[in-house]
Amino acid sequence: NAGVTQTPKFRVLKTGQSMTLLCAQDMNHEYMYWYRQDPGMGLRLIHYSVGEGTTAKGEVPDGYNVSRLKKQNFLLGLESAAPSQTSVYFCASSYGPGWDEQYFGPGTRLTVT
Amino acid sequence: RKEVEQDPGPFNVPEGATVAFNCTYSNSASQSFFWYRQDCRKEPKLLMSVYSSGNEDGRFTAQLNRASQYISLLIRDSKLSDSATYLCVVSRTGGYQKVTFGIGTKLQVIP
Repeated sequence: NAGVTQTPKFRVLKTGQSMTLLCAQDMNHEYMYWYRQDPGMGLRLIHYSVGEGTTAKGEVPDGYNVSRLKKQNFLLGLESAAPSQTSVYFCASSYGPGWDEQYFGPGTRLTVT
Repeated sequence: RKEVEQDPGPFNVPEGATVAFNCTYSNSASQSFFWYRQDCRKEPKLLMSVYSSGNEDGRFTAQLNRASQYISLLIRDSKLSDSATYLCVVSRTGGYQKVTFGIGTKLQVIP
């Protein structure tokens, strides 16, 4: 039981490049989330999904897109990376909505130069 | 005003000490409360939920004060391994059930 996994763990991009972050969970959770964590700002929700085939915007969705084609996977895409997107990205999943424990992946450290 | 506020610290305490953190929340409609622990360069993990009646797990005690809109975390007999950042998390109904993370309070336990 691997829990929540994320790939890649680290990435350096140049401004304007694109990339996809992959999140996978093996707990059969319905809810999945993408957060970014920046110093002094706490975790901020980018996008979330309440089930396979669904996605919704969170607090800071601009510049990101997501897809959830399979229940166990949640992809985060950056179409044209900007230095402001330098951050640590965490994926999380939960059985229920906000009142339930969220399980986090190990994070992806992204630097955009 | 931020929806969830925490003192970022750091709190430097000697081993064996008792330390307490508070977290205030601004929205009275908040329904669920949690403390998460985050080790340096690691992911957050649930430490404990906070119930209206308060709850205790070993050396850790969490309490909720709805009237004053804050939650607290008390750590007794601090261990070196307690060194981490403690995130306050508050959720309320608002679309999907809006979850807000505090910036965290850093604890450093000193030998």
